[in-house]
Amino acid sequence: KAGVTQTPRYLIKTRGQQVTLSCSPISGHRSVSWYQQTPGQGLQFLFEYFSETQRNKGNFPGRFSGRQFSNSRSEMNVSTLELGDSALYLCASSLSGQGRKETQYFGPGTRLLVL
Amino acid sequence: AQTVTQSQPEMSVQEAETVTLSCTYDTSESDYYLFWYKQPPSRQMILVIRQEAYKQQNATENRFSVNFQKAAKSFSLKISDSQLGDAAMYFCAYKEGGSQGNLIFGKGTKLSVKP
Repeated sequence: KAGVTQTPRYLIKTRGQQVTLSCSPISGHRSVSWYQQTPGQGLQFLFEYFSETQRNKGNFPGRFSGRQFSNSRSEMNVSTLELGDSALYLCASSLSGQGRKETQYFGPGTRLLVL
Repeated sequence: AQTVTQSQPEMSVQEAETVTLSCTYDTSESDYYLFWYKQPPSRQMILVIRQEAYKQQNATENRFSVNFQKAAKSFSLKISDSQLGDAAMYFCAYKEGGSQGNLIFGKGTKLSVKP
């Protein structure tokens, strides 16, 4: 079974631009979560989608948004990029996020550099 | 709010020896899950081991085992017969049971393995 895939793997943007990152979950997984990883703040939860609905949200400004499609693929968008948005963005999928299906499996990440 | 603490920023072990990584967490919930993830230089987050809070038996996966002390809110990872490929960042993570829980990560422990 193929793992979680993320595209693109690397991205360079300038301040003020917007960016869209994509995540394809493991086949059959319906929950997709996004995390931001930085040296200073560590791993922080952005949001989770399940069946095309945002089910959970972390403490990030409204410039960070996401969506999920009917095939469970997810995208996250960051508008008006700031230097501090430079980070590794990790996507994780799980079957449903409940019970024994809680385990999240991660993709390789998208490294975003904002200049 | 739930928190996860890894008190050892860096650890070192000799190849073939055993090392234990520490993790403590704070929660008032009774239904939750605990995880250890490994992040090698490739940045791919890999699940090492999982523990359900309602299970008293400590989880084991080959050379990896945990010491889960629920009352003390402690969840340490023991790596036996350490191998060079074990060198990585190790993150302890907590997830509340149910649909609303997201992963809360510790700051990580960088493990070096000496030949």
